[in-house]
Amino acid sequence: DAGITQSPRYKITETGRQVTLMCHQTWSHSYMFWYRQDLGHGLRLIYYSAAADITDKGEVPDGYVVSRSKTENFPLTLESATRSQTSVYFCASSEDGNTIYFGEGSWLTVV
Amino acid sequence: AQSVTQLGSHVSVSEGALVLLRCNYSSSVPPYLFWYVQYPNQGLQLLLKYTSAATLVKGINGFEAEFKKSETSFHLTKPSAHMSDAAEYFCAVSSNSGYSTLTFGKGTMLLVSP
Repeated sequence: DAGITQSPRYKITETGRQVTLMCHQTWSHSYMFWYRQDLGHGLRLIYYSAAADITDKGEVPDGYVVSRSKTENFPLTLESATRSQTSVYFCASSEDGNTIYFGEGSWLTVV
Repeated sequence: AQSVTQLGSHVSVSEGALVLLRCNYSSSVPPYLFWYVQYPNQGLQLLLKYTSAATLVKGINGFEAEFKKSETSFHLTKPSAHMSDAAEYFCAVSSNSGYSTLTFGKGTMLLVSP
């Protein structure tokens, strides 16, 4: 049971570069989410998706783009990375939209 | 609108002592409530959830939580702490009336000393 797989797990990139974080789930859950976790802010929702081709903004969407062409994949793209986007990013999925299961996280450093 | 307050960013207990992590919520509609645990460099793992059935909810690793509507609380307890319980714990709330996103508390780091 693979669950949720995130890649890359660790990434260092330069300011201004485009970065894509991949997320793949094997449960066929309808809902998928991207959160970022920062000291002092806890977990904040970036984007979520209720189904393929349906996405919506969360609390902190600026500077991020998502797509959901297939139910199992939900990539997160930083169009032009900034140092403030240095964070740990968690992908998650849910069958009912409420009970959420998380991936292992992607550590992103923007220098 | 919904929110979660976790009292105490750090809680220290001795091995074998009672663990009590506090969570108070605010929600304009009946809530679903969750506790997650995060070990270093890992994702969040679901410990337990309350979804309007029994008010005392039992989870994994010997943890349990009680929903108290009058106190708007959902405190997490474990009778006897183990060294392996050292981790960060997050309380979260969502609405049970249709889909709503989870709102997380800021987390409580549990430290367990021998």
